[in-house]
Amino acid sequence: DSGVTQTPKHLITATGQRVTLRCSPRSGDLSVYWYQQSLDQGLQFLIQYYNGEERAKGNILERFSAQQFPDLHSELNLSSLELGDSALYFCASSVEQGRYNEQFFGPGTRLTVL
Amino acid sequence: AQKITQTQPGMFVQEKEAVTLDCTYDTSDQSYGLFWYKQPSSGEMIFLIYQGSYDEQNATEGRYSLNFQKARKSANLVISASQLGDSAMYFCATSIYNQGGKLIFGQGTELSVKP
Repeated sequence: DSGVTQTPKHLITATGQRVTLRCSPRSGDLSVYWYQQSLDQGLQFLIQYYNGEERAKGNILERFSAQQFPDLHSELNLSSLELGDSALYFCASSVEQGRYNEQFFGPGTRLTVL
Repeated sequence: AQKITQTQPGMFVQEKEAVTLDCTYDTSDQSYGLFWYKQPSSGEMIFLIYQGSYDEQNATEGRYSLNFQKARKSANLVISASQLGDSAMYFCATSIYNQGGKLIFGQGTELSVKP
């Protein structure tokens, strides 16, 4: 158990819908990262937050947004869902940003868009 | 932009033998880290080992060692005395220190350990 929790574990929804994925980092970790794992794109970095502020953006679609709250949990919002958004979404956390950071991954949320 | 290449989509190894999983990276930055993660069929991502670009000695963690050849830009993972539980996907990743720590992953190598 990495100490990072993600809910829900599985999510099945329809095209055009909006969903919210939730992540609670390890106690004391200030940095949260979101990654998407799909068969065609592999593991891709989406976005990073550090102590409530956005710090880095990767290949995140405009239909996707995220935030980190004062209690440090983070949410990833996916809207106008398409079939291609079906993937495993990971949240990871680390103590700080930059330098050596062992990132601890949550169990992931498997999103299926029908 | 940095890139990770894992050229072995799949590999087989006999139980108790050693196996090397290849990883090459491409970056123009001087300060970076190299990571290996394991993803079993259950889906979770498990951190295995880390090597910093300025570390002169190869990293080791139990049965895992990282063969770091900076001039060749390679960071191969060596697993000694393979066990059946080592069957999984293995991902090599890099992180650039001045870019917040995001990980850039390779495509992965699926390792199967035969009894």
